[in-house]
Amino acid sequence: DTGVSQDPRHKITKRGQNVTFRCDPISEHNRLYWYRQTLGQGPEFLTYFQNEAQLEKSRLLSDRFSAERPKGSFSTLEIQRTEQGDSAMYLCASRRRNTGELFFGEGSRLTVL
Amino acid sequence: TQLLEQSPQFLSIQEGENLTVYCNSSSVFSSLQWYRQEPGEGPVLLVTVVTGGEVKKLKRLTFQFGDARKDSSLHITAAQPGDTGLYLCAGDQGGSEKLVFGKGTKLTVNP
Repeated sequence: DTGVSQDPRHKITKRGQNVTFRCDPISEHNRLYWYRQTLGQGPEFLTYFQNEAQLEKSRLLSDRFSAERPKGSFSTLEIQRTEQGDSAMYLCASRRRNTGELFFGEGSRLTVL
Repeated sequence: TQLLEQSPQFLSIQEGENLTVYCNSSSVFSSLQWYRQEPGEGPVLLVTVVTGGEVKKLKRLTFQFGDARKDSSLHITAAQPGDTGLYLCAGDQGGSEKLVFGKGTKLTVNP
């Protein structure tokens, strides 16, 4: 399967713990995106990479959030000191060029107790 | 303030009915995409519209991009239960790499 894969699919954690999500994009796609989706809402943009460079970050991405794409391939999204408001589906997507289809993974659902 | 407003937010219809959902904005987009999302899954692209006034058909689905490239509509003919899902529009403003999504229209087609 050459689609976008995300891991883990589900994560339940206690408030204050750190969590990390991983995304493996489609191999020939140099653009990688992280979105957050809460119940009843559309995906909200968090950040975007072109190759290994993080080129844009949303104001939604507080100091507790950090994303990396060290070798321009897979990416990680870490949330430190989780809060209940962080509970959401975290979606990763990739695309080949700046216009064109976003291919989404199945998402990582985070529940903070 | 939501950049892309989708309406209606919820729609429940019977199999065989026609429906139209809307995506409106005060901003101009270089392109607009429609996605469909099923529960527990990521969104999947249905169509991209680029030219103002453009109409694209995908089997029973007809997509239209407004002349001013600020709005779009999705019309489904003879809806089927398999059409059930969350329909999202997303706009590309050209100057930014990010795709901005609306909140979606949750469609339920009852058999």
